[in-house]
Amino acid sequence: NAGVTQTPKFRVLKTGQSMTLLCAQDMNHEYMYWYRQDPGMGLRLIHYSVGEGTTAKGEVPDGYNVSRLKKQNFLLGLESAAPSQTSVYFCASCRDGRTDTQYFGPGTRLTVL
Amino acid sequence: GENVEQHPSTLSVQEGDSAVIKCTYSDSASNYFPWYKQELGKRPQLIIDIRSNVGEKKDQRIAVTLNKTAKHFSLHITETQPEDSAVYFCAASKGSNYQLIWGAGTKLIIKP
Repeated sequence: NAGVTQTPKFRVLKTGQSMTLLCAQDMNHEYMYWYRQDPGMGLRLIHYSVGEGTTAKGEVPDGYNVSRLKKQNFLLGLESAAPSQTSVYFCASCRDGRTDTQYFGPGTRLTVL
Repeated sequence: GENVEQHPSTLSVQEGDSAVIKCTYSDSASNYFPWYKQELGKRPQLIIDIRSNVGEKKDQRIAVTLNKTAKHFSLHITETQPEDSAVYFCAASKGSNYQLIWGAGTKLIIKP
């Protein structure tokens, strides 16, 4: 039981490049979330999903897109990376989005030059 | 809008002493209040949570108290140890949908 995994762990992009971050969970959770965490800061919600085939915007969705084609996977895309998107990205999943523990992945450290 | 305020932003205590972190929330429909611990370079992990039908919950050296009338909840760590050094985040469920509203975090420093 791996829990929540994220791919890749580290990535360096040039401004304007695109990439996709993959989050996978093996706990059969309905709810999945993408957060970003800037140095010394808290967690800010980018997008989330309440089930397969659904997505919704969080607090800071601009510049990102997401897809949840399979229940166990939640993809975060950056179409044209900007230096302001340099951050650590965490994925999380939970059974019940209102009253349950969110389990976090190990994070992806992204640097945009 | 809905928000969670967390204080203090940094807390330094002597090893063996107690630490208290406080959060206030604005959404009266919030009914779930978790606390997460994030060690340096690691992922956030749940350490304790409380639901609105309970006023206090304990787990060994950690306790959380909730005052729904005043809309605040607190994390209490007793007999602090070096491994308690980390950033602690409080959160509150958002009444209308499936998100958590997060506090800004408290950096807890345990002095030897």
